[in-house]
Amino acid sequence: GQQVMQIPQYQHVQEGEDFTTYCNSSTTLSNIQWYKQRPGGHPVFLIQLVKSGEVKKQKRLTFQFGEAKKNSSLHITATQTTDVGTYFCAGGYNNNDMRFGAGTRLTVKP
Amino acid sequence: EAQVTQNPRYLITVTGKKLTVTCSQNMNHEYMSWYRQDPGLGLRQIYYSMNVEVTDKGDVPEGYKVSRKEKRNFPLILESPSPNQTSLYFCASSLRLDRVAKNIQYFGAGTRLSVL
Repeated sequence: GQQVMQIPQYQHVQEGEDFTTYCNSSTTLSNIQWYKQRPGGHPVFLIQLVKSGEVKKQKRLTFQFGEAKKNSSLHITATQTTDVGTYFCAGGYNNNDMRFGAGTRLTVKP
Repeated sequence: EAQVTQNPRYLITVTGKKLTVTCSQNMNHEYMSWYRQDPGLGLRQIYYSMNVEVTDKGDVPEGYKVSRKEKRNFPLILESPSPNQTSLYFCASSLRLDRVAKNIQYFGAGTRLSVL
């Protein structure tokens, strides 16, 4: 069945280091979304990518959608303690199915 | 304020005692969904609804029921809760699921359920 694999499951970084989480689907996606869940909070939408090879930036966050529309990444440059949380990707498929990755939990040491 | 409201936020119950978690959205969204979140397993979909009177099973529907009699409400019912249903539950809604840019999901604050 359709599923989205996300790695790593956990990432612990020193403040100022970079962070990347990756999502991969075995079948082509129509779009991919990224969400952030702060500790004790609920997932909040960050961004959506639709086009092959698309790259979007939000301040220190860079989101990429692969050329084959089967993978995506979220890269954070120079992490800050405010970046702490779990990052989820959600892959949308042409059959109106949407699948969440298992999430990457980021902790940042000051 | 546009929002998805879940109640209760916290619930401790005992095995077999029927319970309902309510979910309401004020954004006139067609699509609503229930997820459970467990450590290491991410968000797993329980049930979803594309519109009023239309519901479908997600990946982990066993032990749960839902209904969608009104557009704004999508209650989750546990007829006979068991300890393996102890989890963090999220309700979410989106304008539609079949249109890119309209399929962004808005989540409720979550319901932490413990079944003893």
